[in-house]
Amino acid sequence: GQNIDQPTEMTATEGAIVQINCTYQTSGFNGLFWYQQHAGEAPTFLSYNVLDGLEEKGRFSSFLSRSKGYSYLLLKELQMKDSASYLCAVKPGGYQKVTFGTGTKLQVIP
Amino acid sequence: GAVVSQHPSRVICKSGTSVKIECRSLDFQATTMFWYRQFPKQSLMLMATSNEGSKATYEQGVEKDKFLINHASLTLSTLTVTSAHPEDSSFYICSASDPIGQILSTDTQYFGPGTRLTVL
Repeated sequence: GQNIDQPTEMTATEGAIVQINCTYQTSGFNGLFWYQQHAGEAPTFLSYNVLDGLEEKGRFSSFLSRSKGYSYLLLKELQMKDSASYLCAVKPGGYQKVTFGTGTKLQVIP
Repeated sequence: GAVVSQHPSRVICKSGTSVKIECRSLDFQATTMFWYRQFPKQSLMLMATSNEGSKATYEQGVEKDKFLINHASLTLSTLTVTSAHPEDSSFYICSASDPIGQILSTDTQYFGPGTRLTVL
């Protein structure tokens, strides 16, 4: 089966930097996604990594190490509106479907 | 690009009635659409995968006769909750992906805004 682990909750201060980790064990690997989900809303796409390394997109960056089965989402210059759940999702090999982690609820405090 | 709409956004119905939810890809052709359910403070639970022109593939434990899925065109998939009961009350979210990669990153799922179903 597929297994994705991420912390349940995190708290960080406005203006700071926070790193949300995700580890996975899957049968094959075809890409890793990060989504942001505000309470009561649907997830929105943040990033997609298929090769090792860091992908930067504004205040958000995502890192992948395929050999370690590890990714992180880095949020800089935190804003109150960044308070949300962040979902890590992995596409295993072959025709298997994307599997979502349970999400990390981030609370940004003043 | 990559906009997915969902209708209705909110529905309240009586127990025993059927509810239809529509999911549309507005600016791309979605060969595959997914239907998820999410209960409060829980993660997304995949219900079924809908492929255009073929029968949907349901996840284990999801009743295909209760949750009818139709994907008649490359831009529209519908989920019908038949004989709804209070325990079916949930947040239903569809997503669309474009494995062929017309304008999207391969296999990236783009989500609709969700439908909140309340069954009285």
